[in-house]
Amino acid sequence: LAKTTQPISMDSYEGQEVNITCSHNNIATNDYITWYQQFPSQGPRFIIQGYKTKVTNEVASLFIPADRKSSTLSLPRVSLSDTAVYYCLVGDDSSNTGKLIFGQGTTLQVKP
Amino acid sequence: DAGITQSPRHKVTETGTPVTLRCHQTENHRYMYWYRQDPGHGLRLIHYSYGVKDTDKGEVSDGYSVSRSKTEDFLLTLESATSSQTSVYFCAISEAGGVSEQYFGPGTRLTVT
Repeated sequence: LAKTTQPISMDSYEGQEVNITCSHNNIATNDYITWYQQFPSQGPRFIIQGYKTKVTNEVASLFIPADRKSSTLSLPRVSLSDTAVYYCLVGDDSSNTGKLIFGQGTTLQVKP
Repeated sequence: DAGITQSPRHKVTETGTPVTLRCHQTENHRYMYWYRQDPGHGLRLIHYSYGVKDTDKGEVSDGYSVSRSKTEDFLLTLESATSSQTSVYFCAISEAGGVSEQYFGPGTRLTVT
């Protein structure tokens, strides 16, 4: 599975847009990019997934450039409740096992 | 929220004793996973199951075994607990494997003294 690199931590203020970039230089053709969110004392929660270009849902957008060697999770107008750890994962959907590798994630601190 | 529970939620045990953690799901999902989470390491996969009695190792499987005798239950056993196995353990389920969304349980905090 492709290794990912993302910033250890980020700070933001309420109402701002937050962009978290993940680097995955050796992403394979069959790999998808998935982001999870984890609050303290809880298990991770799926946010968004994409293969190329842009994906948007009710909570976030995911931007993937043409070479797919990086991706950016965008959180619009964050609030204090968005303070969490965000994980970028790259995985092969052709695998039957669903083995995911989580890195250390990015700790986002939203300030008032 | 997906119907997934873990028991116990907290446990303190002594070095050398066997420990079994239980994951129970009501979603009838085929895939189940055990992860451990430690500061500085994120989540690491211990074992996973892709069907009843079908299991395989993850990246940190040494010292752990699993069993899945029915769809809804996935047991993680620490054969002889060590202090290095002090961690938070999360169970997850997935309907389709691959990169399908995984739903995580609330976690079990295990302390080995």
